[in-house]
Amino acid sequence: RKEVEQDPGPFNVPEGATVAFNCTYSNSASQSFFWYRQDCRKEPKLLMSVYSSGNEDGRFTAQLNRASQYISLLIRDSKLSDSATYLCVVNDGSRNAGNMLTFGGGTRLMVKP
Amino acid sequence: GAGVSQSPSNKVTEKGKDVELRCDPISGHTALYWYRQSLGQGLEFLIYFQGNSAPDKSGLPSDRFSAERTGGSVSTLTIQRTQQEDSAVYLCASSWGTPGEKLFFGSGTQLSVL
Repeated sequence: RKEVEQDPGPFNVPEGATVAFNCTYSNSASQSFFWYRQDCRKEPKLLMSVYSSGNEDGRFTAQLNRASQYISLLIRDSKLSDSATYLCVVNDGSRNAGNMLTFGGGTRLMVKP
Repeated sequence: GAGVSQSPSNKVTEKGKDVELRCDPISGHTALYWYRQSLGQGLEFLIYFQGNSAPDKSGLPSDRFSAERTGGSVSTLTIQRTQQEDSAVYLCASSWGTPGEKLFFGSGTQLSVL
């Protein structure tokens, strides 16, 4: 089993739709969680951190479920510009400092007019 | 500079040749990471530098790969005797130095080994 797993997609949704992605992680001791966004042929950029109580940033909502070991990203009112790959990142505090962050393979989102 | 700078942006080389990839991190960032991303795959950790500490080389796939960071700033990733399976995007990232915090990525070097 991969340490961080994501459905690769693609998720094809119309503009204005609500879409949600899940990401599961295997290490129950994982300490912090992030969503990064990566546009085609570009570098990843931090979208948002994921807090235990859940957090919202505009149209984006991130949630953490420690019992089931997954995090989620909800995007409301999808825009064409939301089309990208969304990377789930988990901080496994038990490893060497450099290797603490484990990246999922990403979920590709395509928003259509 | 304002962001993490990597060069070259593209590198095409022949199998067996050595290549050097450069990363110039954000000024003041003490932590520097190298990752590799193959098509459709997640990021694979290669090596990590933090200040003057010994680098974490646990992700380097073979002894053909090495990296150094001079003066706590610019880093060079060297791949000797390149193989076709080395073809990937090599991404550099830097941060203020707290493990697991936000990373700022460069735009990467697309390496193609023919």
